Amino acid sequence: EAQVTQNPRYLITVTGKKLTVTCSQNMNHEYMSWYRQDPGLGLRQIYYSMNVEVTDKGDVPEGYKVSRKEKRNFPLILESPSPNQTSLYFCASSSFIRYSNQPQHFGDGTRLSIL
Amino acid sequence: SQQGEEDPQALSIQEGENATMNCSYKTSINNLQWYRQNSGRGLVHLILIRSNEREKHSGRLRVTLDTSKKSSSLLITASRAADTASYFCATDAGSARQLTFGSGTQLTVLP
Repeated sequence: EAQVTQNPRYLITVTGKKLTVTCSQNMNHEYMSWYRQDPGLGLRQIYYSMNVEVTDKGDVPEGYKVSRKEKRNFPLILESPSPNQTSLYFCASSSFIRYSNQPQHFGDGTRLSIL
Repeated sequence: SQQGEEDPQALSIQEGENATMNCSYKTSINNLQWYRQNSGRGLVHLILIRSNEREKHSGRLRVTLDTSKKSSSLLITASRAADTASYFCATDAGSARQLTFGSGTQLTVLP
């Protein structure tokens, strides 16, 4: 079954304690992306990757890191989490055709609470 | 930055009625996509309409696009309680940053 898998689904942690949210897709997609969803703000892109070893900032990259060492995985790293990073996070993937964005497949989300 | 803005923010209808949601955007686009999100779940792609298309259908869904007005609408016909969800439009302006999402319309279909 084609899917995007995020882990963990829920996490409560404390300020400053490094954490990683993993994302894996089994569709051989080139493009992967991280979003955060906050009430009234819709989805905002954090980082995206067009292929292995190619990453770039989205709209709200501050406080986050990503890596793309393998095509299927795109982890989101919070080196020193702060309460304003409490949010619902989504990973998404799609095939990539230059200058033509394709439908994205989303994971089920990670609800992150930073105390 | 918000590109697509949905209207209304919330919509409540009876089962069997049609539901119409609108999306306005600011810059020229390559395509516009509609997604659905059930409470607490990830978004699911519904339909993509390209900038040179005016209307597209998929089952009970009908999407229109008016590039001169920079707007799109999503019509769900003969709605069902299971259609209760949030609906988002997302615009593709041709940049590698992919889609820009609006803040969504919360649709409630009452049985």
